[in-house]
Amino acid sequence: DQQVKQNSPSLSVQEGRISILNCDYTNSMFDYFLWYKKYPAEGPTFLISISSIKDKNEDGRFTVFLNKSAKHLSLHIVPSQPGDSAVYFCAASANTNAGKSTFGDGTTLTVKP
Amino acid sequence: DAGVIQSPRHEVTEMGQEVTLRCKPISGHNSLFWYRQTMMRGLELLIYFNNNVPIDDSGMPEDRFSAKMPNASFSTLKIQPSEPRDSAVYFCASSFGLAGRWELFFGEGSRLTVL
Repeated sequence: DQQVKQNSPSLSVQEGRISILNCDYTNSMFDYFLWYKKYPAEGPTFLISISSIKDKNEDGRFTVFLNKSAKHLSLHIVPSQPGDSAVYFCAASANTNAGKSTFGDGTTLTVKP
Repeated sequence: DAGVIQSPRHEVTEMGQEVTLRCKPISGHNSLFWYRQTMMRGLELLIYFNNNVPIDDSGMPEDRFSAKMPNASFSTLKIQPSEPRDSAVYFCASSFGLAGRWELFFGEGSRLTVL
């Protein structure tokens, strides 16, 4: 039972346009969500997070939206740049088990010049 | 600033051999995590420590896997005996606090190939 799902394995967008990466979760106990970015041959790096008490968090070109009723979150990158090409992982955790982050399978984003 | 340091970066071994992966977390971080990434299962948590104490090892696949954290600056993940299905990239990560409330800082990973 996969509790965090990223249904799109890949996404390709043109430089300057918006990239929207989606993530769905099934565990209603999840209350904190993070996005990580991973380049080849490197470990994932933290990008942005959101608590369940918010529905939006913004950091520069990156915005994460949370829809608790739909158990859905999305990461928006505007404008997209070629350097954003990477694998993006969504992760979620529950306050009852704060030490355990569950990751999605990742979405490979390709930004074309 | 040194990040999380893992060694070896690459390991190729034969089935039945013992494998030891090493990790040095970021100084000052009090939580350490071992993840495994495979094509089939994605990024899965194997075990995590808080203040050098194992908190949850429910992700450890079987008794062939063991992990230790003898002090705040060092951890090992051991596989004995290794099997081809253990082939994966193993990531170590550390954080200040517990993951989910603080971001994880990952090492570059150890790519293990068991022949």
